Amino acid sequence: KAGVTQTPRYLIKTRGQQVTLSCSPISGHRSVSWYQQTPGQGLQFLFEYFSETQRNKGNFPGRFSGRQFSNSRSEMNVSTLELGDSALYLCASSIDRANEKLFFGSGTQLSVL
Amino acid sequence: AQSVTQLGSHVSVSEGALVLLRCNYSSSVPPYLFWYVQYPNQGLQLLLKYTSAATLVKGINGFEAEFKKSETSFHLTKPSAHMSDAAEYFCAVTDTSGTYKYIFGTGTRLKVLA
Repeated sequence: KAGVTQTPRYLIKTRGQQVTLSCSPISGHRSVSWYQQTPGQGLQFLFEYFSETQRNKGNFPGRFSGRQFSNSRSEMNVSTLELGDSALYLCASSIDRANEKLFFGSGTQLSVL
Repeated sequence: AQSVTQLGSHVSVSEGALVLLRCNYSSSVPPYLFWYVQYPNQGLQLLLKYTSAATLVKGINGFEAEFKKSETSFHLTKPSAHMSDAAEYFCAVTDTSGTYKYIFGTGTRLKVLA
C-alpha cells in the first residue's frame, strides 16, 4: 500500500505570496489532518478533514485554510505569507477511529523569505 | 482541555544505557496516549499506543511505556540505547469522546553517544 504522499517536498516563497500544499492519504483513509512543525514548538494542529468536511480546527489565523476532495486528497492554502510561516507542514491520514494511529507523510518544507 | 508536557527537549545517553523520555498529560476524560518517533527528513511514525487495554505497552524497536493514572504520566523507556535510536520523540494524547483531535508534545530529541 502506498504511504501518505505530500507535494511538493520543498517550497521557497516570499512574503505576501500564497502557497498551496497537497496531501494524498493512504487508500481507504478518510481522515486527513495537517500540522505545522517548527523547532521548539513541536507539532501544532492546523485542521482535520473527514468526508470533505472540516471536523476540527486549531488556533491558526484565517490565512490558513484547507479542503478535502471526494477522493480524500487534501490541500492546504496559506495566503499572505509571513516570515513566521516558515515551517515543516505535515499531513497525516487515519482510519476514522479516535484510537487509531496517524500515518504521516514526509512533509513539505516551506521557507518564506 | 487536553495537554501534553514532555520534560527535556534534549536527552543524551550512552550507547547501551537506559533511555527514559518523560511525558505527562492532562485530560478531563480517559485518554488515548501515543509515542511517535521522527527520524531526520521524515514524517512521524508510531512507536506504541495506550488504549486502556494494559498499562504497560510494548512497541517497536524495544521501546515500552507505562501508563500511570495516579501520576498522569506515560514515560517511554528502552533498556539499552542503540545508535539508531537517535531521533526526535513525540508524546501525543487524544480523547475518548470522539473528537479525533491529537495534541502533541513539543518533542524530545534523543542523542546517543558512542
